[in-house]
Amino acid sequence: DVKVTQSSRYLVKRTGEKVFLECVQDMDHENMFWYRQDPGLGLRLIYFSYDVKMKEKGDIPEGYSVSREKKERFSLILESASTNQTSMYLCASSLQNPPYEQYFGPGTRLTVT
Amino acid sequence: ELKVEQNPLFLSMQEGKNYTIYCNYSTTSDRLYWYRQDPGKSLESLFVLLSNGAVKQEGRLMASLDTKARLSTLHITAAVHDLSATYFCAVDYGGSQGNLIFGKGTKLSVKP
Repeated sequence: DVKVTQSSRYLVKRTGEKVFLECVQDMDHENMFWYRQDPGLGLRLIYFSYDVKMKEKGDIPEGYSVSREKKERFSLILESASTNQTSMYLCASSLQNPPYEQYFGPGTRLTVT
Repeated sequence: ELKVEQNPLFLSMQEGKNYTIYCNYSTTSDRLYWYRQDPGKSLESLFVLLSNGAVKQEGRLMASLDTKARLSTLHITAAVHDLSATYFCAVDYGGSQGNLIFGKGTKLSVKP
């Protein structure tokens, strides 16, 4: 079974803190993705990566950065957390060949106070 | 811009009834995905539809894809409470990187 794990299920941080969210997958997937999910807005893509050290901006990259130093690990970084970044963050991974089915981690609910 | 629209966004139904959730998308794509999300949980893959006319069934759920109409349906037969969840459809860009665009989700509530 594909397994995608995220470092924390719940996280509370203060405004201005630097926040690291880690995602690890064990199926040798090339593609990895970070989404945020907010009520009424669905899933929005923040960043994705299709190879080690490669990254591409998604729909809402402002205020975020990412790092992919190893194939299995994709980190999302909030350089200076703000209250409008309070959200559920979901990591996903997929193969680089069709059918591109994405497998999701359990999610991290981040609250910025 | 690729858009994916689900209809309805909220659905309250009684146990034993049938209903259909619709997923329309705005550009050509041969690949469509259905996911389920339970409250407070992550997304779980339900179906992957890879060609026009594809139909997949599991239990009381059946998904189909009409690429010419740019429409997928998720049909619920004789609903039970355990099906209460939010259902998302997603379409890929058709490119080589496997990016998906998700609909906003349909929150299904099945009442006794």
